[in-house]
Amino acid sequence: EVQLLESGGGLVQPGGSLRLSCVASGFTFSNYAMSWVRQAPGKGLEWVSAISASGGTTSYADAVKGRFTVSKEISKSTLYLQMNSLRVEDTAVYYCAKAFGTISLFDYWGEGALVTVSS
Amino acid sequence: DIQMTQSPATLSASVGDRVTITCRASQNIFAWLAWYQQKPGKAPKLLIQKASNLERGVPSRFSGSGSGTEFTLTISSLQPDDFATYYCQQYNTYNTFGQGTKLEIK
Repeated sequence: EVQLLESGGGLVQPGGSLRLSCVASGFTFSNYAMSWVRQAPGKGLEWVSAISASGGTTSYADAVKGRFTVSKEISKSTLYLQMNSLRVEDTAVYYCAKAFGTISLFDYWGEGALVTVSS
Repeated sequence: DIQMTQSPATLSASVGDRVTITCRASQNIFAWLAWYQQKPGKAPKLLIQKASNLERGVPSRFSGSGSGTEFTLTISSLQPDDFATYYCQQYNTYNTFGQGTKLEIK
């Protein structure tokens, strides 16, 4: 059974940093691209970042480019999102999602980690 | 960037009703369109990919159609478990989600 478990969310001040983790199980982590998708309170879904199966290729939404970094530690089956220079508008539930067939289609999602950016 | 527009934003319906949600893309995305269901406090669930391919385990009352720029999600006979928010997503070029359609009980 595929499972994705996020951790690392919390309250941080504007300008601060936070690192999210997503531990994957139930599939061969090195064979699949992964993404982070976020959802601000009461709002819709917004893709944030993606990383290829090998970890060699990454992509970012314009809203986070230059501030967020996605990475994979294949030996630990763990996906990361390093978030720097956080803004109030980054407040959201962050989901990790496993890609299916193509890097941008998501067949399994974690339960999410809440990040609150506030002073 | 490809924009996705869903309608309606909110849909009120009763158990047993047939409902249709529409998703329009700002440019041709062929059939690279997915539908997700999300319940409050839960992660989205993939229902349909490539416009009309039902995921394993998804009830057959759900169906998807369309290509190019116009797509629909139809639920043939609403069940109590279907009241949720539905999102379309294009994955032809990167990916973009629609703004969502909240399906509520009338």
